[in-house]
Amino acid sequence: AQKVTQAQTEISVVEKEDVTLDCVYETRDTTYYLFWYKQPPSGELVFLIRRNSFDEQNEISGRYSWNFQKSTSSFNFTITASQVVDSAVYFCALSEEFFDQGGKLIFGQGTELSVKP
Amino acid sequence: ETGVTQTPRHLVMGMTNKKSLKCEQHLGHNAMYWYKQSAKKPLELMFVYNFKEQTENNSVPSRFSPECPNSSHLFLHLHTLQPEDSALYLCASSRNREEGVVYGYTFGSGTRLTVV
Repeated sequence: AQKVTQAQTEISVVEKEDVTLDCVYETRDTTYYLFWYKQPPSGELVFLIRRNSFDEQNEISGRYSWNFQKSTSSFNFTITASQVVDSAVYFCALSEEFFDQGGKLIFGQGTELSVKP
Repeated sequence: ETGVTQTPRHLVMGMTNKKSLKCEQHLGHNAMYWYKQSAKKPLELMFVYNFKEQTENNSVPSRFSPECPNSSHLFLHLHTLQPEDSALYLCASSRNREEGVVYGYTFGSGTRLTVV
């Protein structure tokens, strides 16, 4: 069955520190998609990145980077030189192409990141 | 603004009340979703509608009743709720269910529900 685990419930860092949010997933499908969303205090989940299971290339977008490793079923998210505006809850999510679980996004429990000035 | 609008933003209701949550999108999407977000728990998928057809009911108690009159609107009707139903209820949409799997969803800001 699909499952997404974000073992870190809360992380607190000081501004300018680097921080890595962990995500480990379980799936039986060979074709699947991984996502990261950010939930600021306003509530809406904001899409950050999407990866398919055939693309293990790491990605960097400004201060954000993602490390996808199929060998360890992990899709970790690193924020470099964190800022107060990065404070939010971050969710990792998984979907499978072949609708084994009905074609839907399954979310982890989220990691609440607090960046202090 | 994500393009998915939820109203009201906050709702306090008694256990004997009946209320409805509304979700509206004008993104041209045909799949809509209700998620429940409780503290320290993963987002729980409640219902899925694809082209106005309900395609998933994730063992949700009957005190939650969804309605999708057209592809742009989704409602969640609430009656005789329990205090443990207090949560953030998030609506999401995607072009259709298949594309939602591949590209993800667009979310609203949610309705913060408190049952007293």
